[in-house]
Amino acid sequence: GESVGLHLPTLSVQEGDNSIINCAYSNSASDYFIWYKQESGKGPQFIIDIRSNMDKRQGQRVTVLLNKTVKHLSLQIAATQPGDSAVYFCAETGATGRRALTFGSGTRLQVQP
Amino acid sequence: GAGVSQSPSNKVTEKGKDVELRCDPISGHTALYWYRQSLGQGLEFLIYFQGNSAPDKSGLPSDRFSAERTGGSVSTLTIQRTQQEDSAVYLCASSLGANSPLHFGNGTRLTVT
Repeated sequence: GESVGLHLPTLSVQEGDNSIINCAYSNSASDYFIWYKQESGKGPQFIIDIRSNMDKRQGQRVTVLLNKTVKHLSLQIAATQPGDSAVYFCAETGATGRRALTFGSGTRLQVQP
Repeated sequence: GAGVSQSPSNKVTEKGKDVELRCDPISGHTALYWYRQSLGQGLEFLIYFQGNSAPDKSGLPSDRFSAERTGGSVSTLTIQRTQQEDSAVYLCASSLGANSPLHFGNGTRLTVT
């Protein structure tokens, strides 16, 4: 069945380094992708989104890359800070006609000072 | 501005009791979503409301779960005859519509004893 999954459950980086969080999706019909950040006890917070007609989109310190050929999505965080420590989820929409987002299981990012 | 508001933030109930969870979306958002998140897991889609269209209920796990959205604004998720496996954080989100970012509340933590 359709799924959205992450390669690494936990990623540990040093403060100041760049972080890359990866995500694979299985439905080639997915046309909209979002990255969310979730801190403990809070709801997911929108980071950045990208539509299927784009390969790359940049925000403040974050970049999302979309490779539709291999159905792969990545989130790059530049100059990672302790405040970036959280669980990161990728999500897609468009799968089987459902407009609601389908979420992956998440990657925990730990930033070491 | 005001974000998505959920109440209560925590709910402890006995097995077999009914519970109601409330969501106040962002004003003007036509789409409203309910998700469930078990400890350390991703988000499981439950139900999606979009304007006056029939809701997408395909994610509801059993007929004990139901939701309504009155006047296109406030939504209530009802779980009847709660079971221990219903224990989770129930997250509500709203958006301007399809292919727009979801804005989440901080969730209701439900514990069924």
